[in-house]
Amino acid sequence: DQQVKQNSPSLSVQEGRISILNCDYTNSMFDYFLWYKKYPAEGPTFLISISSIKDKNEDGRFTVFLNKSAKHLSLHIVPSQPGDSAVYFCAASASSNYKLTFGKGTLLTVNP
Amino acid sequence: GAVVSQHPSWVICKSGTSVKIECRSLDFQATTMFWYRQFPKQSLMLMATSNEGSKATYEQGVEKDKFLINHASLTLSTLTVTSAHPEDSSFYICSAATLAGGWETQYFGPGTRLLVL
Repeated sequence: DQQVKQNSPSLSVQEGRISILNCDYTNSMFDYFLWYKKYPAEGPTFLISISSIKDKNEDGRFTVFLNKSAKHLSLHIVPSQPGDSAVYFCAASASSNYKLTFGKGTLLTVNP
Repeated sequence: GAVVSQHPSWVICKSGTSVKIECRSLDFQATTMFWYRQFPKQSLMLMATSNEGSKATYEQGVEKDKFLINHASLTLSTLTVTSAHPEDSSFYICSAATLAGGWETQYFGPGTRLLVL
């Protein structure tokens, strides 16, 4: 039973354009959401997060949007750069504990 | 950011043997360490949570007698896969956290790929 779903295993975009990575969740107890970026042979690194009390959080080129009614969040990267090419994981947690539930990840390829 | 190392990065072993994987936080003290497992094309699945000096808390479906976790210090946790079988072949990844700092302070190691023949 996948509580966090990333339905697109891969995404390819042109350098300079916007990358939109999507994530859906089913557990209504989740109230904190994180995006991680993973390069080959490295562990995931924290990218950006959002609390359920917000619907948007921005950090430089990265913006995360949360639609609680739809149980959907998305990560926007603009402009996309070749160095952004990596696997992006969506993760969710309930504030009652620090356990993270991950999606399967989306491989983003940014073409020069 | 903080650095978490894992050793070994990959290991091949025979069925029935035990394998120990180390997770170290190199430049900070981790109050809590997490162990995850990832099968091909699947998500990272939390196996257990360990706090320094206390017993690990295992997720449902994870056999605590098979996956022994020791968190003897604030910088080291070990996962021992006992009597490994081919179905234990997977990617094991740890994370270390100072939870007082929030979720963002959970730093991941590079992972250990285990192949059981």
